[in-house]
Amino acid sequence: GAVVSQHPSWVICKSGTSVKIECRSLDFQATTMFWYRQFPKQSLMLMATSNEGSKATYEQGVEKDKFLINHASLTLSTLTVTSAHPEDSSFYICSASPGAGDTIYFGEGSWLTVV
Amino acid sequence: DQQVKQNSPSLSVQEGRISILNCDYTNSMFDYFLWYKKYPAEGPTFLISISSIKDKNEDGRFTVFLNKSAKHLSLHIVPSQPGDSAVYFCAASAGGTSYGKLTFGQGTILTVHP
Repeated sequence: GAVVSQHPSWVICKSGTSVKIECRSLDFQATTMFWYRQFPKQSLMLMATSNEGSKATYEQGVEKDKFLINHASLTLSTLTVTSAHPEDSSFYICSASPGAGDTIYFGEGSWLTVV
Repeated sequence: DQQVKQNSPSLSVQEGRISILNCDYTNSMFDYFLWYKKYPAEGPTFLISISSIKDKNEDGRFTVFLNKSAKHLSLHIVPSQPGDSAVYFCAASAGGTSYGKLTFGQGTILTVHP
């Protein structure tokens, strides 16, 4: 069964609104989780590192004010896409690992469509 | 700057034969490598990994080979099955505090014909 779970799997929102995606580690605690984005026919690109109890660190070119990350507990990280635009439509995926050297698990992914 | 490259966008193999997927990397800090299988609109599924202290890791039908001097790794699937048809991504991670932060290749579409 899944050890990292995302919700929702699919979401459609209107331009200008915000949408929240949750990522949960089910069988372990994760002080660090990672958020990726995949555009159609492209690879997965790391967006940010979510750190429990502290600020997320963002990759170059990713707007921190647009993609708000909150890692309030050891099993939950959330990604909020604020003021969504159609170009934000993408597949968002999170990952987590029980610890250094352990398998890195991915969530099922969340399809965001902004209309 | 593509630090992890999969130069073959696609590979077609007959059922029962060997599938060999290749991956090259440029960053010498990478010390942990993984292969994932992915279907459209789903998250990647972990297949097999290898640490830089090894040159081979085997798990059932899947074997990963690492050539550090050439900065090259490959995934062998033997025997290939139609259910193996998917997109395969190789990924790399540096150690220490960067563990878990993956850089992915572009992916290779594997098609296994019955």
